[in-house]
Amino acid sequence: DAKTTQPNSMESNEEEPVHLPCNHSTISGTDYIHWYRQLPSQGPEYVIHGLTSNVNNRMASLAIAEDRKSSTLILHRATLRDAAVYYCILSEGGGSNYKLTFGKGTLLTVNP
Amino acid sequence: DAMVIQNPRYQVTQFGKPVTLSCSQTLNHNVMYWYQQKSSQAPKLLFHYYDKDFNNEADTPDNFQSRRPNTSFCFLDIRSPGLGDAAMYLCATSREAGPTDTQYFGPGTRLTVL
Repeated sequence: DAKTTQPNSMESNEEEPVHLPCNHSTISGTDYIHWYRQLPSQGPEYVIHGLTSNVNNRMASLAIAEDRKSSTLILHRATLRDAAVYYCILSEGGGSNYKLTFGKGTLLTVNP
Repeated sequence: DAMVIQNPRYQVTQFGKPVTLSCSQTLNHNVMYWYQQKSSQAPKLLFHYYDKDFNNEADTPDNFQSRRPNTSFCFLDIRSPGLGDAAMYLCATSREAGPTDTQYFGPGTRLTVL
């Protein structure tokens, strides 16, 4: 079962930063934190992942709490194309047992 | 540029009539996954192949089977579709099966069962 908790929905205005929170209080020391997003009528796409340190890429930043029990995905300037369901996922297992278990995600609405 | 291709994008079948969904990849990845996503729900992993090794999720119905004849192709067979099997079926790949491996998803096949 999914081990993350996210708000059902959030709203943002275009060109403003968005902070999407995720709680994962039962995270183990070897679990990576992944974020994927799913635009309407498309398959999910990878956004970012991290273990302990904050991470940045061209799409977003990932801020991970020191105790790793929560994290925040940061979109620095939201655009209309960022409207999607954002999933925070803990990678589990390895080898043939590795899998991503999607939770309910956060539906992000971006207002023009 | 398409990396994970799913055909068809839309599939209509009749109750109880076997149906096969296909997925192909140009990434030469070792791992291929099949997910089921029902309306307004999160994707749910059905099974995956690590190379030729098949891994079935414990709660995947027996009605669902998969074949991977080679690295590039993977098929989802639904032997006797019920109304409850209507969903989006997503194929994904990853290079390896490690905790940092990114999964690349196809656009999905939306299955309608009449």
